[in-house]
Amino acid sequence: GEDVEQSLFLSVREGDSSVINCTYTDSSSTYLYWYKQEPGAGLQLLTYIFSNMDMKQDQRLTVLLNKKDKHLSLRIADTQTGDSAIYFCAESLLSGGYNKLIFGAGTRLAVHP
Amino acid sequence: GAVVSQHPSRVICKSGTSVKIECRSLDFQATTMFWYRQFPKKSLMLMATSNEGSKATYEQGVEKDKFLINHASLTLSTLTVTSAHPEDSSFYICSARDYSGRRDTQYFGPGTRLTVL
Repeated sequence: GEDVEQSLFLSVREGDSSVINCTYTDSSSTYLYWYKQEPGAGLQLLTYIFSNMDMKQDQRLTVLLNKKDKHLSLRIADTQTGDSAIYFCAESLLSGGYNKLIFGAGTRLAVHP
Repeated sequence: GAVVSQHPSRVICKSGTSVKIECRSLDFQATTMFWYRQFPKKSLMLMATSNEGSKATYEQGVEKDKFLINHASLTLSTLTVTSAHPEDSSFYICSARDYSGRRDTQYFGPGTRLTVL
């Protein structure tokens, strides 16, 4: 079945690292994504990882993928107050000739001084 | 990244009226667009897939006659909520599929908040 799970809330101190975790169920996922949503706004694509990769780093963002455990994580180094938002993990599944995205419920990241 | 716009960003309407929401891909052509609904503090729920020049594909449990989708051009898809009721109040987000590069990516619009009184 299709299911993506995330913890709902994370609070970190400014300057610390944040780690947001996600688990998914479908091993046929081709890509896995992290999106950021600020209050009242749409989703911004942060980063993605292809399913045959273990790690991807993009400036302050590091994505780790454990395909065996179907576990994905997003690490944000030197977390800033502007990083406060909801972070959605999504897996892509091929359906009808295109990649359909299945989203987790989102992790609300709160950054405090 | 690519830019997707939605209009209006916010709409309030009376129960029983219809509301049209537009989704445009501004700097690429999108043969496929997606419509999502997001409830407060919840994830995005895929409602339907909009294909240019053909009928939309609806997810299970989504009423086709309630949520009319039209994808008349490669840059525009519209979602019409017909005979809206308070339970249709929600945040509606569209995305446009960009398959021009090596990967298949969805770019999201900023969302439309619909409030039905």
